[in-house]
Amino acid sequence: QPVLTQSSSASGSLGSSVTLTCTLSSGPSTYIISWHQQQPGKAPRYLMKVEGSGSYNRGSGVPDRFSGSTSGADRHLTISNLQSEDEADYYCETWDGNTWVFGGGTKVTVL
Amino acid sequence: EVHLVESGGTLVEPGGSLRLSCAASGLTFSGAWMNWVRQAPGKGLEWVGRIKANIHGGSTDYAAPVKGRFTISRDDSKNTMFLQMNSLRADDTAVYYCTTAHLALSDPDSWGQGTLVTVSS
Repeated sequence: QPVLTQSSSASGSLGSSVTLTCTLSSGPSTYIISWHQQQPGKAPRYLMKVEGSGSYNRGSGVPDRFSGSTSGADRHLTISNLQSEDEADYYCETWDGNTWVFGGGTKVTVL
Repeated sequence: EVHLVESGGTLVEPGGSLRLSCAASGLTFSGAWMNWVRQAPGKGLEWVGRIKANIHGGSTDYAAPVKGRFTISRDDSKNTMFLQMNSLRADDTAVYYCTTAHLALSDPDSWGQGTLVTVSS
């Protein structure tokens, strides 16, 4: 069963960039990861999937300020031109066909 | 646009049962794998279980904390998924979300707005 590890927090100034990392602690490095955003008091929102090659596919309506990338077992979510509405919890997710697992989430603060 | 609407959440006593529903629209529901995910107050997201599309066998899998107590089912004629929860415990208190469970890079997933289940006497 895959295990996902995320840093608990990250921050950036308005207009800057921040990169979040989700590390696969077990399982093949080819795993696809999903990223989800949860703004305070709201339901999670799907952002994108990122695969082992680094290809990613954003969901409908997700700004192109959000991008994905891969480095080995790490899957990254980069938020460029940080906006106040980007202050949220960000979760990565993966699956092995029978079970799904979420990372612990990263709280992003916009300074 | 995919729209998922959960319902059925309420206050229930420990040891009690509850059935949640997830009504889906905007997708070919019969071909969709679906997940239940929950979030306890102030905590992160936790996968509860998944049901495959009936064309893929319709099988279910569950997270260890709910296995043997929770059952996921679906009624494709009504585009609805269900979560039957038995022997409820205080630590089952959470907002329960239904989501799509698409495996392909090219297929985006969707979330419902969630329904709150509180287990307390």
